Amino acid sequence: DTGVSQDPRHKITKRGQNVTFRCDPISEHNRLYWYRQTLGQGPEFLTYFQNEAQLEKSRLLSDRFSAERPKGSFSTLEIQRTEQGDSAMYLCASSPRGGNTDTQYFGPGTRLTVL
Amino acid sequence: QKEVEQNSGPLSVPEGAIASLNCTYSDRGSQSFFWYRQYSGKSPELIMFIYSNGDKEDGRFTAQLNKASQYVSLLIRDSQPSDSATYLCAALASGGSYIPTFGRGTSLIVHP
Repeated sequence: DTGVSQDPRHKITKRGQNVTFRCDPISEHNRLYWYRQTLGQGPEFLTYFQNEAQLEKSRLLSDRFSAERPKGSFSTLEIQRTEQGDSAMYLCASSPRGGNTDTQYFGPGTRLTVL
Repeated sequence: QKEVEQNSGPLSVPEGAIASLNCTYSDRGSQSFFWYRQYSGKSPELIMFIYSNGDKEDGRFTAQLNKASQYVSLLIRDSQPSDSATYLCAALASGGSYIPTFGRGTSLIVHP
């Protein structure tokens, strides 16, 4: 399978716990994006990487959210001290290079439920 | 705040009809626009993108862009029940960041 993969697919946690999600992009893609999607809404941009550089992180929802892409390959998204409002689908997407015609390919998502 | 507006629907059309999905955007500098299809509980999948004014056709799908009116549309010809899904419009930000803004999506129901 050469598509974007995400792990885990589902995560149930208790309020206050930390969670970490992993995304493996398509192998030749330089850009990696994280989104959050809640019911009835479109994907909401969180952050993105060009190789290992995080180029935009001001739209992470709070300082409880952080992301890394240490070697320019896979990425992790961590949410500390989870709250019930964090329950959502977290989507990862990758794209080849950026640019006006750059198309993003989404992974299957990680559905987070905070009890 | 850059916005992409879509009617949430649902838009209901009979099988074989043309479905017309519309999207407006606020960032006049947006250069490229994307249509994604999302089935319930699944992630978005790309249908097509457009960046020039006019029409772009791909099989049963036609995207239309009018930058002066800041309007993008997607036409689906010969609609099939399998086309029933939410259709997301996305505009790629101007200024070189290439961060897309998504609309909330339009739910399409194609009934037999």
